[in-house]
Amino acid sequence: DIQMTQSPSSLPASLGDRVTITCRASQDIGNYLRWFQQKPGKSPRLMIYGATNLAAGVPSRFSGSRSGSDYSLTINSLESEDMAIYYCLQHNEYHTFGAGTKLELK
Amino acid sequence: QVQLKESGPGLVQPSQTLSLTCTVSGFSLTSYSVHWVRQHSGKSLEWMGRMWSDGDTSYNSAFTSRLSISRDTSKSQVFLKMNSLQTEDTGTYYCARRDFDFWGPGTMVTVSS
Repeated sequence: DIQMTQSPSSLPASLGDRVTITCRASQDIGNYLRWFQQKPGKSPRLMIYGATNLAAGVPSRFSGSRSGSDYSLTINSLESEDMAIYYCLQHNEYHTFGAGTKLELK
Repeated sequence: QVQLKESGPGLVQPSQTLSLTCTVSGFSLTSYSVHWVRQHSGKSLEWMGRMWSDGDTSYNSAFTSRLSISRDTSKSQVFLKMNSLQTEDTGTYYCARRDFDFWGPGTMVTVSS
């Protein structure tokens, strides 16, 4: 089974900061990687698909990148509405979510 | 517009069977697959399985022996059945469309006597 190691688990940050969350895949998953945002009491929201593509309606301060087996979600100029838990998902072989990163105000 | 909505019993006794329904609108089950995803309270998401648009199914190996997913295309419904429930199966259950671009609001399931 493919494992997704997500880091950090918690990320304190200030408004206006640039933050990066990373997932490392245990096997090759190509670009079959998605990122989700989840706020308390809500369903997950698709943010990035194909590792680097912005989903519909997602602000341009969000971006996705890949370096080998490491996949990153970067948020430029953090806003208060970005405080949430972020998850990665690989869907190359079945589906595996990362453990999540809680982005919170410092 | 595209919508998904889960429904189910809320409370299930240990060792019993969980039956959930995902009712969709705005798209056809014969064109899009539907996933089931579980989330324990305060924990990460767990992919459970998928009903493909052609009627085939795929399951997470962690659930294979006790999970069954089926559908009724005439009613635009996808069903999840999982037997031998334990307290560890307590959580929120979601259905999501093929690309995870649309999700239902989730239904909370508590396994308790």
